[in-house]
Amino acid sequence: GENVEQHPSTLSVQEGDSAVIKCTYSDSASNYFPWYKQELGKRPQLIIDIRSNVGEKKDQRIAVTLNKTAKHFSLHITETQPEDSAVYFCAASDNFNKFYFGSGTKLNVKP
Amino acid sequence: EAQVTQNPRYLITVTGKKLTVTCSQNMNHEYMSWYRQDPGLGLRQIYYSMNVEVTDKGDVPEGYKVSRKEKRNFPLILESPSPNQTSLYFCASSLRRGGDGYTFGSGTRLTVV
Repeated sequence: GENVEQHPSTLSVQEGDSAVIKCTYSDSASNYFPWYKQELGKRPQLIIDIRSNVGEKKDQRIAVTLNKTAKHFSLHITETQPEDSAVYFCAASDNFNKFYFGSGTKLNVKP
Repeated sequence: EAQVTQNPRYLITVTGKKLTVTCSQNMNHEYMSWYRQDPGLGLRQIYYSMNVEVTDKGDVPEGYKVSRKEKRNFPLILESPSPNQTSLYFCASSLRRGGDGYTFGSGTRLTVV
């Protein structure tokens, strides 16, 4: 099955700086890549997603890039704010039924 | 309010005592799924359902059962719970396969002693 690896496991940035979280996947058939944000004690929430026919997608301060050749995708958060502090999960799916999640990145934005 | 409702939020049980965690969504979503979340392992898919009476195994189905008799409900059944099933469980739904991403329930923290 698919294997999704996520790095780094923890990331600490100063407020206003950018943060980048990277994921790699193993199955070239994967074609859908969502990102979820989970605040402490809460449920995961979808923040952005990308399909394999697109190389980049932006939504305000958040962007996701996809490199199908290298089988990796990244989450970029610009102008970070303390409320961005959370655990972020990437995921990959090849048929929209089975989803494989990364192990998570704990982002700490220092004021 | 559109939501996925899980019950109970917290559950402590003993090894071998059958239990059911309920999940219900009011959004008329076709697709529902169960996940377990363990530290350092992210979310792992247990079972999913594409529609009524259509279910299939995810990545870690051993020790679990599900059913989808109605579109809105997708209960998770542990016939004989064991301590290694102690975890945080999430139910999730989406409008359809490849839709706009999941809506997750608020989670069920299960402890098996």
